[in-house]
Amino acid sequence: GESVGLHLPTLSVQEGDNSIINCAYSNSASDYFIWYKQESGKGPQFIIDIRSNMDKRQGQRVTVLLNKTVKHLSLQIAATQPGDSAVYFCAENFKTGNQFYFGTGTSLTVIP
Amino acid sequence: GAGVSQSPSNKVTEKGKDVELRCDPISGHTALYWYRQSLGQGLEFLIYFQGNSAPDKSGLPSDRFSAERTGGSVSTLTIQRTQQEDSAVYLCASSSGRGQPQHFGDGTRLSIL
Repeated sequence: GESVGLHLPTLSVQEGDNSIINCAYSNSASDYFIWYKQESGKGPQFIIDIRSNMDKRQGQRVTVLLNKTVKHLSLQIAATQPGDSAVYFCAENFKTGNQFYFGTGTSLTVIP
Repeated sequence: GAGVSQSPSNKVTEKGKDVELRCDPISGHTALYWYRQSLGQGLEFLIYFQGNSAPDKSGLPSDRFSAERTGGSVSTLTIQRTQQEDSAVYLCASSSGRGQPQHFGDGTRLSIL
């Protein structure tokens, strides 16, 4: 089967530092990727997306980088705040499919 | 506008009972997804509805699971003869179509005793 994996299950950063969360995907046919943030007891919240015709996309304090050569996706959070503490998931969508495949998530803890 | 709404938020039932979980998608969203999330795990795709097309049921784990979407809006996920391994959070998401961001509800936490 296809897999979407994350390199680090947990990440701790100091408040104000930048965070980088990584994700590896295995299907070169994936053409759409999303990063989600999930807080305890809540559903995943959309953060940012990127399509395969792009390498980089920026939002407010977040940047997603896509490296199709090595099938790698990263989420960068600038000036990390305590409210950023959550589990972060990447998800990939195959070009010909309806499904999104999710990784197991990275738990980000921001230390005040 | 309202987001995706799921009910109940929590459900505890005995093994062998049937359960129905409800999802109200964002108004106007044609695509609706159901996922299952076990503790500390990622999301497992269950089923996908797009407009009036036949649903993609490829993720349903057994024939005890079924879902329907009435009038292209509200969806119900039914689990018959529940088993303990069915305990999980069931999440619903909707989007304006394939290749568009999914917006999730807060899920139904199902516990099978």
